[in-house]
Amino acid sequence: EVQLVESGGGLVQPGRSLRLSCTTSGFTFGDYAMSWVRQAPGKGLEWITFIRSKAFGGTKEYAASVNGRFTISRDDSKSIAYLQMNSLKTEDTAVYYCTRGSSPDYSDYWGQGTLVTVSS
Amino acid sequence: QSALTQPASVSGSPGQSITISCTGTSNDVGAYNYVSWYQQHPGKAPKLMIYDVSNRPSGVSNRFSGSKSGNTASLTISGLQAEDESDYYCSSYTSSSNVVFGGGTKLTVL
Repeated sequence: EVQLVESGGGLVQPGRSLRLSCTTSGFTFGDYAMSWVRQAPGKGLEWITFIRSKAFGGTKEYAASVNGRFTISRDDSKSIAYLQMNSLKTEDTAVYYCTRGSSPDYSDYWGQGTLVTVSS
Repeated sequence: QSALTQPASVSGSPGQSITISCTGTSNDVGAYNYVSWYQQHPGKAPKLMIYDVSNRPSGVSNRFSGSKSGNTASLTISGLQAEDESDYYCSSYTSSSNVVFGGGTKLTVL
């Protein structure tokens, strides 16, 4: 069974950093692109980043709203994806979902999400 | 990158068919056959319903279908059921190698 479990969310002050983890099981992690999608309270979905599989160069892309502040990475030996979030802003408050896709353009499995609240 | 445009809400009666539109530009929806659709029930993670414009993942009912014409993609749900009441989001790969979502559509089954 494919499983994605996010962790690392919580309350953080503006300007601080947080690292989210996405621990996966049930599939060959290295064969898939991994993405992070967020959803602010009461709002719609917002794609923020993906990382391709190493077979496709392991390249990364970012939404303009997080480019330069957030970094996605992957550890294929541990089947974990990470999202390092720096210089957090109040508008980064959201549920962050980790997702898997055969290609970056769609997500066929999603985690349950982890809430990040940026507030003083 | 602006969000794709979806109607805020649609409604239909059980057994009817409804269509949700998703309008983008020649840099996203119109550029590739990489449009996907997600269903999200309140408090739950989204679920993939359609990928690459018209492909259904295993386990998704064939009452759900997708299409595209120019810069507009569509999701059609036939034989509406009460359990279809949910929020629906489209997304598209873009010419900037990003992904963009629509604002979401709330489907009400009357």
